[in-house]
Amino acid sequence: QVQLAESGGGVVQPGRSLRLSCEVSGFTLNSYTMYWVRQAPGKGLDWVAVISSDGSNTYYTDSVKGRFTISRDNSKNTLYLRINSLRTEDAGVYYCARERRMGSFGDFEAFDIWGQGTLVAVSS
Amino acid sequence: DIQMTQSPSSLSASVGDRVTITCRASQNISTYINWYQQKLGKAPKVLIYAASSLQSGVPSRFSGSGSGTDFTLTISSLQPEDFATYYCQQSYSIVCTFGPGTKVDIK
Repeated sequence: QVQLAESGGGVVQPGRSLRLSCEVSGFTLNSYTMYWVRQAPGKGLDWVAVISSDGSNTYYTDSVKGRFTISRDNSKNTLYLRINSLRTEDAGVYYCARERRMGSFGDFEAFDIWGQGTLVAVSS
Repeated sequence: DIQMTQSPSSLSASVGDRVTITCRASQNISTYINWYQQKLGKAPKVLIYAASSLQSGVPSRFSGSGSGTDFTLTISSLQPEDFATYYCQQSYSIVCTFGPGTKVDIK
């Protein structure tokens, strides 16, 4: 069964660090670009970071540049998000999502598989 | 980054109603738009990709249209299980962005 399972969330003090993990099963991680998407409490969806299938390219939303690091270990079928210098505005549910090529010619991409999410709360 | 807006932000509708949600992109994104449904406490689920292609397993009452900057998601006959929040998302750029969402609740 194709699925993603996040872990590593919890209650963390401002300024501390955290590492989120996303373990994949049912497919080979090294074939897909992967994203982390955040949802603040009661708010909408915001992409946070993306990593190419081979890990050679990464991109981040402006508010997390220099503090977040996305990485992957294809041999362990696991995606990671390292969060440093946590801020209150980093709180929310973090989802990992698989980007899949769609359409007859694979011209389009969409997030076809999502994890259940892991909750990060920032509190002193 | 490409900005996405949605309207309305929320709506109330009855079972059987036809519902239309609009999404607008800040620049031409051709048909690189997807629509997701999110129920409370659950992960999003893709409904439509490439503006108008129905994802496998999604009921045919869902449809999408549009190109360029203006797009719509239509639910032809609202069912009880369709009460949820709907998001558009542009995939024109690897730096993807979501719309702010439209919450559909029971009238």
